[in-house]
Amino acid sequence: AQKVTQAQTEISVVEKEDVTLDCVYETRDTTYYLFWYKQPPSGELVFLIRRNSFDEQNEISGRYSWNFQKSTSSFNFTITASQVVDSAVYFCALSEPISNTGNQFYFGTGTSLTVIP
Amino acid sequence: GAGVSQTPSNKVTEKGKYVELRCDPISGHTALYWYRQSLGQGPEFLIYFQGTGAADDSGLPNDRFFAVRPEGSVSTLKIQRTERGDSAVYLCASTPGQGTDTQYFGPGTRLTVL
Repeated sequence: AQKVTQAQTEISVVEKEDVTLDCVYETRDTTYYLFWYKQPPSGELVFLIRRNSFDEQNEISGRYSWNFQKSTSSFNFTITASQVVDSAVYFCALSEPISNTGNQFYFGTGTSLTVIP
Repeated sequence: GAGVSQTPSNKVTEKGKYVELRCDPISGHTALYWYRQSLGQGPEFLIYFQGTGAADDSGLPNDRFFAVRPEGSVSTLKIQRTERGDSAVYLCASTPGQGTDTQYFGPGTRLTVL
């Protein structure tokens, strides 16, 4: 079973529209971390945000905001007033502890966002 | 400072050949991860190093794949008897400490097996 599910494969929006990217995760651990990464056409994964499982406060950073809800195991990402430069593939990821040696990371299959000028 | 670097950026090889892919993590980062990303998919975990030792190699698909990190910095992913199905982008990431830290990714090596 997928640990991280990003049900939206592709999304297209017109510039200045708001868009929400969905992420649902599955874990039995009480301590875990959630991430969002952006992968522009150049290919390099760019870190956007990390949240730990004990902090459900929503976060806003400029045009980006994240809604973490443990009750629904979701960590959704909203871009407000989208811009063409936001066009990329966005990955949600889950980090779980591996005994005492560190964490294992699981990535979703990504959502490809196209912002049309 | 310098980010994670990976060489080569592109590698084309013939089926059955041996390849080595190199990763230079961010200086001082103790943890290093290798992933494989196929077209249209998310990164798939291969192996994780904490210092010089492989803390988790459960993602390596078979014994043709091997990775080393002899001095706790640079790592090399080695693939023997390459197959066409090995074609993918191989990503490396490093973190400052044990795995709860954010991963910083390199640009990847695109491997094409003909």
